[in-house]
Amino acid sequence: DSGVTQTPKHLITATGQRVTLRCSPRSGDLSVYWYQQSLDQGLQFLIQYYNGEERAKGNILERFSAQQFPDLHSELNLSSLELGDSALYFCASRGGVGTGELFFGEGSRLTVL
Amino acid sequence: GENVEQHPSTLSVQEGDSAVIKCTYSDSASNYFPWYKQELGKGPQLIIDIRSNVGEKKDQRIAVTLNKTAKHFSLHITETQPEDSAVYFCADPFDSNYQLIWGAGTKLIIKP
Repeated sequence: DSGVTQTPKHLITATGQRVTLRCSPRSGDLSVYWYQQSLDQGLQFLIQYYNGEERAKGNILERFSAQQFPDLHSELNLSSLELGDSALYFCASRGGVGTGELFFGEGSRLTVL
Repeated sequence: GENVEQHPSTLSVQEGDSAVIKCTYSDSASNYFPWYKQELGKGPQLIIDIRSNVGEKKDQRIAVTLNKTAKHFSLHITETQPEDSAVYFCADPFDSNYQLIWGAGTKLIIKP
């Protein structure tokens, strides 16, 4: 158990819809990262937050947005969903300065029909 | 820009044999090199990492070696077991915030 919790584990929805994925980082971790992993693909970095502020942006579509709340949990919002958005979405958290290890949740599997 | 190439994409070895996965990076300033293991249906998990001030690090059956001159680092798994079957990712941080560039992954298959 990594200590990172993601909900929901599975989500099936239709094209054009909007969903919200939730992540609770490990206790005390200030950084939260979101990744997308399509079938048999690698990890695509989407966005990072640190203590409530956006720190870095990767290949995140304009239809996607995220935020980190004062209690450090984070949400990834995916809107106007397309078939190609079907993927595993992972959240990871990291500890303090000088520690490189990322702790990943078990992911949210999104299926867009 | 920064880049990480990982080979092979798939590796099939007989149980008990050794497996080696290699990653090549482009940024000479890189100083931290992790390896993550992703089991089916789970998120990646760090299994070993190395910093640039050492050339090799071991943890039981796994080891990582670093060649800074050639800019590559490798994961070595000895006496492979069925539970080693997974996808392995290397990564390279490209900034002080440990933003990682990931390799494409290697699917390791252990044949009984």
